Amino acid sequence: DAGITQSPRYKITETGRQVTLMCHQTWSHSYMFWYRQDLGHGLRLIYYSAAADITDKGEVPDGYVVSRSKTENFPLTLESATRSQTSVYFCASIPPGQGSTGELFFGEGSRLTVL
Amino acid sequence: GNSVTQMEGPVTLSEEAFLTINCTYTATGYPSLFWYVQYPGEGLQLLLKATKADDKGSNKGFEATYRKETTSFHLEKGSVQVSDSAVYFCALRSSGGSNYKLTFGKGTLLTVNP
Repeated sequence: DAGITQSPRYKITETGRQVTLMCHQTWSHSYMFWYRQDLGHGLRLIYYSAAADITDKGEVPDGYVVSRSKTENFPLTLESATRSQTSVYFCASIPPGQGSTGELFFGEGSRLTVL
Repeated sequence: GNSVTQMEGPVTLSEEAFLTINCTYTATGYPSLFWYVQYPGEGLQLLLKATKADDKGSNKGFEATYRKETTSFHLEKGSVQVSDSAVYFCALRSSGGSNYKLTFGKGTLLTVNP
């Protein structure tokens, strides 16, 4: 049971470069989410997706782009990375049919450092 | 909008001590409440949840009771172990709607010493 796989787990890049963080889930979950985790802020929602080709902004979407051409993949792209985007990024999904009480399943995180 | 406030850490306890991590929330309607735990180097995983007022969630010796009158969902454990050292997040999800977004607190780092 592979669950949710994030790649890369660690990435160092420079200001202005484009970076894509990949998220792949093997459960065919409909809903997927991208959160960033920062000290003093907890987890903040960047983008989420209800299904393939349906995405919506979360709390902190600026500077990020997402796509969802296939149900199992939900990549997050930083089009021009900034130092403020140094963070740990978590992808998550929720099984279908569980509604508002359902458990969120998380990947192991991608630690991104922007120099 | 929804918000979650939990006690700031870090919290340091000795093994077998009693643990309380406070969590209060602001939300409309009747949200579902959750505690997630993050062990070092890992993603978050669900610890327990409660979906209506007066429900008690429990797992691995941890408990939390959904108190609508005080809008609280405090996490407790009677006797902590070294293996409980982790970051704990309180979270809520609004009832109704279809977006299933979770709103998290800032997290509380717990360190348990032998």
